[in-house]
Amino acid sequence: ETGVTQSPTHLIKTRGQQVTLRCSSQSGHNTVSWYQQALGQGPQFIFQYYREEENGRGNFPPRFSGLQFPNYSSELNVNALELDDSALYLCASSGPRGTQYFGPGTRLTVL
Amino acid sequence: AQSVTQLDSQVPVFEEAPVELRCNYSSSVSVYLFWYVQYPNQGLQLLLKYLSGSTLVKGINGFEAEFNKSQTSFHLRKPSVHISDTAEYFCAVSRGATNKLIFGTGTLLAVQP
Repeated sequence: ETGVTQSPTHLIKTRGQQVTLRCSSQSGHNTVSWYQQALGQGPQFIFQYYREEENGRGNFPPRFSGLQFPNYSSELNVNALELDDSALYLCASSGPRGTQYFGPGTRLTVL
Repeated sequence: AQSVTQLDSQVPVFEEAPVELRCNYSSSVSVYLFWYVQYPNQGLQLLLKYLSGSTLVKGINGFEAEFNKSQTSFHLRKPSVHISDTAEYFCAVSRGATNKLIFGTGTLLAVQP
């Protein structure tokens, strides 16, 4: 167990809807990174938050947005859902030494 | 830009046999290297990491990996596998310890009795 939790575990949405995924980081970690893992592929970096500020972004459109709260928990928001957004969304937290520890993920299905 | 190549999408092996999962990376700068394991319907678990120092890194569950700068490789090895090692294994690279991870496409280790 890494101490990183994510909610919900599974989610089903329809095209065009909006979704919010949540992540609680491990105690003592102030950095949260989000990844998208499509079926049969490796995780792809979406963005990272450090002390409530975005600290790097991957090749994802602006409809993917995020927040980090003072307690270092984080949200990933996706607007105008598309079928290709169906994936496992992984959150990872890291502390001063940088190693990223992953949560169990949220499985999003877009119909 | 960094990239990671895992040439083997699937590696079948018999229980108690040794295994090597290959990982090659490309980068114009120094990198940090990681191996993660993903069991079915779960998140990623860190197996081991290379940040600096000794090129032979030992991780959990009896796995080890060797960093080879000249061959830009970071192959994962285990001398004797168990059925419970069946999982997807991902090699990853980052430019700094806190930077984004770039993952390979993964290797499914399928351990057969």
